[in-house]
Amino acid sequence: GNSVTQMEGPVTLSEEAFLTINCTYTATGYPSLFWYVQYPGEGLQLLLKATKADDKGSNKGFEATYRKETTSFHLEKGSVQVSDSAVYFCALSDGSGGYQKVTFGIGTKLQVIP
Amino acid sequence: DSGVTQTPKHLITATGQRVTLRCSPRSGDLSVYWYQQSLDQGLQFLIQYYNGEERAKGNILERFSAQQFPDLHSELNLSSLELGDSALYFCASSAGRGDLPNSPLHFGNGTRLTVT
Repeated sequence: GNSVTQMEGPVTLSEEAFLTINCTYTATGYPSLFWYVQYPGEGLQLLLKATKADDKGSNKGFEATYRKETTSFHLEKGSVQVSDSAVYFCALSDGSGGYQKVTFGIGTKLQVIP
Repeated sequence: DSGVTQTPKHLITATGQRVTLRCSPRSGDLSVYWYQQSLDQGLQFLIQYYNGEERAKGNILERFSAQQFPDLHSELNLSSLELGDSALYFCASSAGRGDLPNSPLHFGNGTRLTVT
């Protein structure tokens, strides 16, 4: 079956530091890949997505590139802010079997300190 | 606003009781997913429905059941509640179709269940 492996947190960074959160996946076929973010007290919301190999998703300064050769979709941001403190979830989705199937990673908590 | 509505927002009940959580998906979405999130166990997938039919089951206890109605809203029933069932329960919806695997999930704000 499909699986998503995410680095365990928490990750603690100082403001303006570079962020990388690793995500690798196992899937048959050609899944779509997503990053979701969960701010304290809220539900998950889509941060970015990529639907095919070499696609780069980007939003709010975050980026991730769909790397089929390494089955990875690492999340990066050049300069984090305190407001980026949240839990980040990597996910994949495929449509085999006639309906959408979604698999989430365990989530990585990011704490940004001033 | 994600377009997904979950009620109630908070629920406090006693052990042994039964509760029903309700979810209205985003307009046009056919698939509904239920997740449980507790402090120490992250996001646990419970069950998925697509256009009224159960499609996938995760770590859902036998004391828990769900259904999706013809109008596509969904209910999650939790019975014989235990202290350990205290958690945030999220509902999400998506287009759900197999030919649209890039459809994102839209999450509600969750129902916080406290079992005392």
